Amino acid sequence: GAVVSQHPSWVICKSGTSVKIECRSLDFQATTMFWYRQFPKQSLMLMATSNEGSKATYEQGVEKDKFLINHASLTLSTLTVTSAHPEDSSFYICSASKGGVNNEQFFGPGTRLTVL
Amino acid sequence: GDSVTQMEGPVTLSEEAFLTINCTYTATGYPSLFWYVQYPGEGLQLLLKATKADDKGSNKGFEATYRKETTSFHLEKGSVQVSDSAVYFCALSGSSNTGKLIFGQGTTLQVKP
Repeated sequence: GAVVSQHPSWVICKSGTSVKIECRSLDFQATTMFWYRQFPKQSLMLMATSNEGSKATYEQGVEKDKFLINHASLTLSTLTVTSAHPEDSSFYICSASKGGVNNEQFFGPGTRLTVL
Repeated sequence: GDSVTQMEGPVTLSEEAFLTINCTYTATGYPSLFWYVQYPGEGLQLLLKATKADDKGSNKGFEATYRKETTSFHLEKGSVQVSDSAVYFCALSGSSNTGKLIFGQGTTLQVKP
């Protein structure tokens, strides 16, 4: 149990276009979802935390108008990279938590975004 | 702010060798500490965790002890296998209970037969 999927697994887009990445918890309800960005050979950097039905909380330095996060249901969160530029190329990873005292995060396999 | 520092990799070992990956942290209060593993092409998986000082987390032959006096959570395994080749991340969750994780930079382990 506790499987998280991401779609697509990789995407290539032209500069100036928008890209949507989906994160789904397949066999549990996720009260909280997290979005991370991972640069090559570097750590995961938390971008934002989203709770179902409420606005996402963004980390300092993350542009909320550029990285739109929607957590429409207990099993789905989306990250939209708007007006993408080459510097947005990265590996984006989501995780989902059932909440409660345990609070363990279950991670998706990631999405590789390349902006040309 | 809170932070995690891991030893730089890659770490290359022969099968059945002893493994240590160092991890130290800076945090206020009493964080929970984690080790995650990322196998090629897969998402991060929780390997083990410890929630208070002197706790030992263990799983699949890996162990790590929460040492508050040295602010460390070093990962060890007595005999590594080729299948252990992966990237290992040390992480902490602060005492504020928001669920946020702060990760170290990751250490790549390569085990050769």
